[in-house]
Amino acid sequence: DIQMTQSPSSLSASVGDRVTITCRASQGIGNYLAWFQQKPGKAPKLLIYAASSLQGGVPSKFSGSGSGTDFSLTISSLQPEDIATYYCQHYNSYPITFGQGTRLEIK
Amino acid sequence: QVQLQESGPGLVKPSETLSLTCTVSGDSIRPYYWSWIRQTPGKGLEWIGYIFYSGSTNYNPSLTSRVTISVDTSKNQFSLKVTSVTAADTALYYCARKSHSSGAFDIWGQGTMVTVSS
Repeated sequence: DIQMTQSPSSLSASVGDRVTITCRASQGIGNYLAWFQQKPGKAPKLLIYAASSLQGGVPSKFSGSGSGTDFSLTISSLQPEDIATYYCQHYNSYPITFGQGTRLEIK
Repeated sequence: QVQLQESGPGLVKPSETLSLTCTVSGDSIRPYYWSWIRQTPGKGLEWIGYIFYSGSTNYNPSLTSRVTISVDTSKNQFSLKVTSVTAADTALYYCARKSHSSGAFDIWGQGTMVTVSS
């Protein structure tokens, strides 16, 4: 199985900050990488697919980059509504696997 | 818009079979891939398997001996069965659709909690 490792596990930042979360795959996955946002009591919501493509309806303050084994998700200006846990997930091969999540908090 | 709704018992006894159904509304179940995913505090998000509307399946090797996913196109539903459950199968279970265009899980159900306990 391909292991997905996110860092940091948790992050505290101020409103207006630029925030970056990283995700590393244990082997190359091309650009078959998605990012999800999950708020408490809700299902994960797709933000980014194909490593850098913004899902329809998702604000442009979210952006993704990377290919191969190293990826990142950036929020350009953190707002209170962005407080959530963020997950990366590869879909290069089966089984599909997810990162362990990054919990984002407001400082 | 497309909506997914999981349904099934919230409590299952150890060694018995967990059975869940996902009902798709707002679109046809054809011709998409449909997955089951579960979430626990300890293991996080775990992909269980998928089914294509035609009935072809692919399961996570960690669960393949105990999992069956089936589809009923006439009801626009697909289902999950996990046999010989233990406490480790206690989780929040989601159904999700794989997008044609992006290949990612673009639509998710709200999730249903299943507890394995006597």
